[in-house]
Amino acid sequence: KAGVTQTPRYLIKTRGQQVTLSCSPISGHRSVSWYQQTPGQGLQFLFEYFSETQRNKGNFPGRFSGRQFSNSRSEMNVSTLELGDSALYLCASSLGSDTQYFGPGTRLTVL
Amino acid sequence: EDQVTQSPEALRLQEGESSSLNCSYTVSGLRGLFWYRQDPGKGPEFLFTLYSAGEEKEKERLKATLTKKESFLHITAPKPEDSATYLCAVQADFNKFYFGSGTKLNVKP
Repeated sequence: KAGVTQTPRYLIKTRGQQVTLSCSPISGHRSVSWYQQTPGQGLQFLFEYFSETQRNKGNFPGRFSGRQFSNSRSEMNVSTLELGDSALYLCASSLGSDTQYFGPGTRLTVL
Repeated sequence: EDQVTQSPEALRLQEGESSSLNCSYTVSGLRGLFWYRQDPGKGPEFLFTLYSAGEEKEKERLKATLTKKESFLHITAPKPEDSATYLCAVQADFNKFYFGSGTKLNVKP
């Protein structure tokens, strides 16, 4: 069974730009969660989608948004990028309310 | 306030020197506790899920245990390839997940 895939794996953007990250969950998984990981803050929860609906949301500004499609694939968008948005963005999928399996992450660098 | 605390932050062991990592938590309505291993620049790799106090899970040199307030990840006779950051996560009510900041393990040959 294929694992969680994320694209792109690496991204370099400049301040003020916007970016879209993509996540394909494990086949059959309906929940997709997004996390931001930085050396200083660790893993911080962004939001979770289940069956195309946002089920949970972390404490991030409105510049961070996401959506989920009918095939459970999810996208995350960050608008008006700031230097502090540089991080490893991780996507995790689960069947519903149980173990989360993580993808390899997208390394975003904001210059 | 719901939170997860891991200790120590870093641990250096000699190959073969057994030890334990700690994960203490205060959450409302524990649904599950999860252990992950993360190598630099990669996504966390799932290790164990524990659901109730007294439960234990084993995999190779790793053994995870759970009490009502904390979990331990015991590493028996570690090898250099066990070097990684070990993350603990707790699932609380309303499907909310809380992660600890991790323990960075370095096993020297």
